[in-house]
Amino acid sequence: GQNIDQPTEMTATEGAIVQINCTYQTSGFNGLFWYQQHAGEAPTFLSYNVLDGLEEKGRFSSFLSRSKGYSYLLLKELQMKDSASYLCAVRDSNYQLIWGAGTKLIIKP
Amino acid sequence: IAGITQAPTSQILAAGRRMTLRCTQDMRHNAMYWYRQDLGLGLRLIHYSNTAGTTGKGEVPDGYSVSRANTDDFPLTLASAVPSQTSVYFCASSDSTHGELFFGEGSRLTVL
Repeated sequence: GQNIDQPTEMTATEGAIVQINCTYQTSGFNGLFWYQQHAGEAPTFLSYNVLDGLEEKGRFSSFLSRSKGYSYLLLKELQMKDSASYLCAVRDSNYQLIWGAGTKLIIKP
Repeated sequence: IAGITQAPTSQILAAGRRMTLRCTQDMRHNAMYWYRQDLGLGLRLIHYSNTAGTTGKGEVPDGYSVSRANTDDFPLTLASAVPSQTSVYFCASSDSTHGELFFGEGSRLTVL
């Protein structure tokens, strides 16, 4: 079966750095997405990786290793507004998105 | 403002009733999707449409139907609601099957 694993919850301190990991086993691979979802709101797109390596976008970076079935989202200079759930999703060989359950990130002052 | 509009935002429904969740997008995206989101689970695909006039079944299609008469609208119908269909429903669209998804604000449905 297809599976996306990510930690259920993480806690970090304002101003610090946090890394949210995602491992996947899917039938084929056509890209990996990270979305942010604030409580009670819709998911919003953060990043997309299809080749190995690091993609940087401001305070957020996303890394992919296809051979290891592994990605991480790195958030720097954490702000209180970064408190949200972070969803990892992989496009399989049929171009369907397989979603992880999300990682709830709690930022403390 | 361009985007996706869902209605209603929230609804309480008696079991056995028929319900249609509406979804409209003004971005001229070809692909549209309906997901449900339940606590502790990832988003699960109910139905999708890669282009107007075509639809397909997702991971959890039973008890739901969709139609795609035109590019902009993609309604989701529960023919006879059951309590297990209590969930938050998200409509999404993308310009292709490869692109990022844009989500509506969600419809919170409670079936009693």
